[in-house]
Formats: sequence, C-alpha cells, structure tokens
Amino acid sequence: EAQVTQNPRYLITVTGKKLTVTCSQNMNHEYMSWYRQDPGLGLRQIYYSMNVEVTDKGDVPEGYKVSRKEKRNFPLILESPSPNQTSLYFCASSLGPRGYGYTFGSGTRLTVV
Amino acid sequence: QQPVQSPQAVILREGEDAVINCSSSKALYSVHWYRQKHGEAPVFLMILLKGGEQKGHDKISASFNEKKQQSSLYLTASQLSYSGTYFCGTEKVSGAGSYQLTFGKGTKLSVIP
Repeated sequence: EAQVTQNPRYLITVTGKKLTVTCSQNMNHEYMSWYRQDPGLGLRQIYYSMNVEVTDKGDVPEGYKVSRKEKRNFPLILESPSPNQTSLYFCASSLGPRGYGYTFGSGTRLTVV
Repeated sequence: QQPVQSPQAVILREGEDAVINCSSSKALYSVHWYRQKHGEAPVFLMILLKGGEQKGHDKISASFNEKKQQSSLYLTASQLSYSGTYFCGTEKVSGAGSYQLTFGKGTKLSVIP
C-alpha cells in the first residue's frame, strides 16, 4: 500500500530533551515536506526537500532541523524542544516539487512540558 | 503568505450545495484542495494548474481563475461524508518559495441530516 509512515503517533517530552520524528514513504517520491498544524492557523510548512541532500526552509523553520540522506526518509529533529513547539506535525510527500498532489502521513501529536 | 479562505465555517443539510473560496495576492502556478476529517490527516482532492481546465470528482468540482488568483470548490448535493475541514493550498509561479505549498486556514464544513 502506498503510504507515508510517521512515528511516533503521540509523544510527550520535557523542555530541552532532543527528539526525532521519523517519516518514511514507499512511493519513490522526490519531494518531501514537514508541516505543523495549530488551531486557527492551518498547516504551516517547516522544511521541505526536493531530493536527496537538498533541503530548504519553509515558513516556520526556527527550532527544527531535517536531513535527507535517503530518498524514502525525511526525519524531523528538535534539538532543544520548547513548549511553543507543542503541535500536531505532518509529513507529506509528492512526486515532484510542483504540480503534484501531496500524500500525508497520519500525524504526530507532540506535547512539550 | 497564506491564501485566504472563505467562509471560515458552513453548516449544510444533506442535499444542499456549498461553495468554498480561496484567494491569493500572488501569481499562482497551481491550487490544491484537501479535506481533513477530525483526528485524521489531510487527504488530497484535486489540483488545478495554471492554464488547465476545471476539475471534478463525483459531486465535488473546482475552478481556477488565474487572472484573479482565485479558486472555488463546489460541493453539490452534499452528503454526511463531506463533513470536515477543507484546505486550499497554493504554489506560486516564481520567486522565493515557489517550491512550497502554502495552505489557507481552512473552512469547516458540517453536513447535518
């Protein structure tokens, strides 16, 4: 089944404790992206990647890191999480950087206390 | 810059029609439409490309006015399953961020019996 897999689904952590949210897709998609979703703000893009080793900042990149060492994987790293990073996170992938629909993962609900 | 969606929310009875609008201040390459049900990931509905035709899927269709940078999503003879939050996403023609999909804040659609 074609899908984007995120782990974990739920995560509660403490301020300052580094964490990684994994994202993997099995569709051979070139483009991958991370979004955060907050009430009333919609989906805001954090980082995106157009291919292996090619990443770029989205609209809200502060406090996040990403890497794209393999085509299928695009982990999101929070090196020192803070409470304002409490949010619902979605990974998405598409065939190319423009003009293609996105497939979203199931989401990761992160709480930083 | 996020596209602007209207209305923010709408309540329909089964069988009624609805229109959701999306407008941008930037020249657009494409407009995407997604539906998100409560507690789930956004699901791709359709994409409208610059220079392309109006799209349709069952009783849901959309149009794209390139000159006005506006798109509309039409839901006809609504069903209970249409309930959810609808997001438009836009890709710019050129310039910084032209490989990003920027979402509006969403329109919450509720269909009641």
